[in-house]
This record gives sequence, C-alpha cells and structure tokens, in this order.
Amino acid sequence: DIQMTQSPSSLSASVGDRVTITCRASQRMSNYLNWYQQKPGKAPKLLIFAATSLQTGVPSRFSGSGSGTDFTLSISSLQPEDFATYYCQQTYTSPFTFGPGTKVDIK
Amino acid sequence: QVQLVQSGAEVKKPGSSVKVSCKASGGTLSFYGISWVRQAPGQGLEWMGGIIPILDITNYAQKFQGRVTITADESTSTAYMELNSLTSEDTALYYCARDPRDGYSRFDYWGQGTLVTVSS
Repeated sequence: DIQMTQSPSSLSASVGDRVTITCRASQRMSNYLNWYQQKPGKAPKLLIFAATSLQTGVPSRFSGSGSGTDFTLSISSLQPEDFATYYCQQTYTSPFTFGPGTKVDIK
Repeated sequence: QVQLVQSGAEVKKPGSSVKVSCKASGGTLSFYGISWVRQAPGQGLEWMGGIIPILDITNYAQKFQGRVTITADESTSTAYMELNSLTSEDTALYYCARDPRDGYSRFDYWGQGTLVTVSS
C-alpha cells in the first residue's frame, strides 16, 4: 500500500496568511493526488484533483503543486471559512489511501 | 445537481452486520464509481472499497476483504455497503462518495454520512 504523510499535523494561522501544507507519498505516483477540506460534522469537500486541478466552484486562493512523491496545498490568503482539516489522498493504486490530515485553526 | 443521500444511523451488537445505503438523486450511478470511506470518532479518513455499477466491478481494501460487500442497484441508483462481524472498532461515520471516472479518480460528491455505533 502507498503510505501518505502530511506536515504539519496542525498549524495556527491568521486571516490573510499564506498557508502551505505538504503531503508525501511512500512511492512515486505521478500526479494522482487529491486534496479535501473537512469541517466539523461535515463530509469532506474536494478542493484539488490530479495534484494541480482546481475543482469547480473552489476559490482560486487554493492551489496545488507537485508530482512523484511530494505535493503541496497552498492557500494564498486564509479566509475565516478556511479553518478546517485538510487531507491528501492518492488514487494511483488501490487502496486509495488518505493522509492523516492537517488541522488549520485560528491563531 | 447530484446528491447522495444515505440511510440513517444504526446501533449494532458486536458480531452482527450492518448494511448502509446511498441513493443518488439528480443523476445515475451507473457510469460512475461509488466508494465507501469511513471515519472513526476524532480520526482520519479510511477508504474501504468501491464499485463501478455499470461494469459490476468491485475493489476492496485488503483490511476489509472478506468482511465487506459493496453492491449497487442501477434501477434505483442506490449503492450499498454491508459490513459483517462488527466490533467496537467499527464504530464510525460511514460515507459514500462518487468518482466521476474521467481519467483521475477523485471523490467529487459525498453523502451526508451514516453513523454506525457498535455496542453491547
């Protein structure tokens, strides 16, 4: 199985900050990497797929980069509604494993 | 607008089974994939397996192989996930999610989640 790690596990930031979350895979997987946002009590929401493609309706302050084993999710200017937990997921091979999550909270 | 509507919360005894449904409204399941993802209390997301209804192909995570069965009824646009031999460690929120199967697997629509509590 491909193991996914994320860093940091949590971070505190202020509205307007630029935030970067890193996801690393245990083996190369091209760009089969998705990012999700989850708020408490809600289902996850797809933000980025294929490492860099913005899902329809997602604000452009979200962006993804990377290929191979190292990927990043960036939020250019953190908004109040962005405080949530973020998960990466690989869909290169089954099982479609998720990272452990990065919780973004208010500083 | 596609919506995935899941069945209600369940309370089960250890050793029993649970079957959760996921009905698509505003579209069909047939040409897409449906995966099941669970989330234990306070924990992360765990992919359990999925189905492509039009091909009747299923794929399960090794961890759940032999204990989970995912099926779909195209006539009602409903997918099902049955989990057997429940233990307290299966207490979790279970989500269904749609994969558009257009080149890159991803989960673009999610159900609201079904809480399964396993308790004696």
